[in-house]
Amino acid sequence: DAGVIQSPRHEVTEMGQEVTLRCKPISGHNSLFWYRQTMMRGLELLIYFNNNVPIDDSGMPEDRFSAKMPNASFSTLKIQPSEPRDSAVYFCASSSDWSSGNTIYFGEGSWLTVV
Amino acid sequence: GIQVEQSPPDLILQEGANSTLRCNFSDSVNNLQWFHQNPWGQLINLFYIPSGTKQNGRLSATTVATERYSLLYISSSQTTDSGVYFCAGGVGNDMRFGAGTRLTVKP
Repeated sequence: DAGVIQSPRHEVTEMGQEVTLRCKPISGHNSLFWYRQTMMRGLELLIYFNNNVPIDDSGMPEDRFSAKMPNASFSTLKIQPSEPRDSAVYFCASSSDWSSGNTIYFGEGSWLTVV
Repeated sequence: GIQVEQSPPDLILQEGANSTLRCNFSDSVNNLQWFHQNPWGQLINLFYIPSGTKQNGRLSATTVATERYSLLYISSSQTTDSGVYFCAGGVGNDMRFGAGTRLTVKP
């Protein structure tokens, strides 16, 4: 299995620019998560989808952040406009039915630097 | 949301030593997992363990759900065990992470 695939792996962008992070979950998984990791706040759950439907986006920091999952094999996290404080590692993760106890698998992360 | 506390925050071991990492939860959880983040930043799932005990090689984990804590045991530690160990828990998919335990295993 290819695992969770994220792109880009690294991105450096200027403040004010739009950033789009992409994720391909593991085939057959029906839950998808976006996490952000920073030194100050650790790992934060931003949003998660179940069967392509956003279930809880209360972790999305502000309106500049948006996430979509148009189909079972693709999700995007968009930041528009980006700010230096958005610099972080953004992880996508997926799992199958949580109620059956399947584990969460993380992608390798997208390292974002906003200058 | 659920608060997750991990201890100790940092741990330095000599190769071959054993260790116990702890995770406390502020409320009941039905989803609890342990992860290892290696020095390259990869997050690897170690255990799904909302209750009971599991073992995988030199690692084992125990969760006492009624008392809202979980323990991760590492036996005969190796330098490759270095990294940050996270526990995460919650209800369903709403998983919250602790701040992690940074483990350094010296040769």
